Amino acid sequence: QKEVEQNSGPLSVPEGAIASLNCTYSDRVSQSFFWYRQYSGKSPELIMSIYSNGDKEDGRFTAQLNKASQYVSLLIRDSQPSDSATYLCAVMDGYSTLTFGKGTMLLVSP
Amino acid sequence: DAGVTQSPTHLIKTRGQQVTLRCSPKSGHDTVSWYQQALGQGPQFIFQYYEEEERQRGNFPDRFSGHQFPNYSSELNVNALLLGDSALYLCASSTAATMTGTGNQPQHFGDGTRLSIL
Repeated sequence: QKEVEQNSGPLSVPEGAIASLNCTYSDRVSQSFFWYRQYSGKSPELIMSIYSNGDKEDGRFTAQLNKASQYVSLLIRDSQPSDSATYLCAVMDGYSTLTFGKGTMLLVSP
Repeated sequence: DAGVTQSPTHLIKTRGQQVTLRCSPKSGHDTVSWYQQALGQGPQFIFQYYEEEERQRGNFPDRFSGHQFPNYSSELNVNALLLGDSALYLCASSTAATMTGTGNQPQHFGDGTRLSIL
């Protein structure tokens, strides 16, 4: 049974702070890792993908992957109220199917 | 460039009925995956279609079936609806994995169909 674990939150940060979102996964053969943002009542939107150990930066977002620890994280710098959403961690196996965590709710206060 | 489109947006059915949901993939994509998202949960994988065949299937009963057409669009059918089938149904499209079965192409989601069972 593949599992992806996330803290459900809510994670509350003030505007301008760094938000740190974490995720662990159980399947060691997982190959690809994604972060999706989901606003209330909307569908998931892909914001980051990472395939190899280390950091990957895209604007205010940095994804970090540690396959040995089976750990993925997402850092959001200079958090804005518009970043308030649920962040879903997703892990892809060799057959291109995604296993999602339950998501972490992020609240950024002005 | 049109993204993934799903129809209908909302649907209300009663227990025991049957429903068909439709999805058109993003231009250039040929693989369609369907997910069910219950309130407060992450999406759960139902099945994936490629070259008009079901390639992978998640832990869902046979009441859930699908189809992919030559133009890569897809349908999700659910028979004998239960109250527990109430959820947001998401379609995601991507480009094909390699013939060896490995693939890491990101999946892009449509806006979903919200299905309510009374």
